[in-house]
Amino acid sequence: NAGVTQTPKFQVLKTGQSMTLQCAQDMNHEYMSWYRQDPGMGLRLIHYSVGAGITDQGEVPNGYNVSRSTTEDFPLRLLSAAPSQTSVYFCASSSALRGEDYGYTFGSGTRLTVV
Amino acid sequence: AQKVTQAQTEISVVEKEDVTLDCVYETRDTTYYLFWYKQPPSGELVFLIRRNSFDEQNEISGRYSWNFQKSTSSFNFTITASQVVDSAVYFCALSGNTGKLIFGQGTTLQVKP
Repeated sequence: NAGVTQTPKFQVLKTGQSMTLQCAQDMNHEYMSWYRQDPGMGLRLIHYSVGAGITDQGEVPNGYNVSRSTTEDFPLRLLSAAPSQTSVYFCASSSALRGEDYGYTFGSGTRLTVV
Repeated sequence: AQKVTQAQTEISVVEKEDVTLDCVYETRDTTYYLFWYKQPPSGELVFLIRRNSFDEQNEISGRYSWNFQKSTSSFNFTITASQVVDSAVYFCALSGNTGKLIFGQGTTLQVKP
């Protein structure tokens, strides 16, 4: 049981490049989400999904796209990276919507630097 | 809208002191959950506790205790006899009907030997 797997762990991009941060979970959780963590700002919600085919915006969605074609995967896409997107990104999943053992499992994070 | 406020940005204590981390929340949901997470220097998020809105009993786990008061919308966290290993960033978080988990800004705790 791997939990939530994020790849890559580290990434350096040039301004304007695109990339996809991968997130996969093997717990059959309906709920998945992406956060970014910046110093002094806590974790801010970027996008979230309550099930396959359903996504919604969080607090800071601009510059990011998501899709949820399967229950297991929830990739985060940066179409044109900007230095302001330098951050640590966390993916999380939860069975919260089923009311089971209400909790959130977090990935280990992706440290992204945009130069 | 949901909101979590951790007014203490940084706290510094000497080992063996008690320390309380404050958390104030806002929500219109009648059913909601409150969480505390620890983020050590290694960066991972460590789950500490979950509380639902119908359970106002205080909880104690070893040196950790939590005080949930709906009347003041607060969910404070106390570490008794702090240790250097308690040095970390601590986050309070809130989730409601939609399942979205919203975090406070975090409190950096430094425990000096």
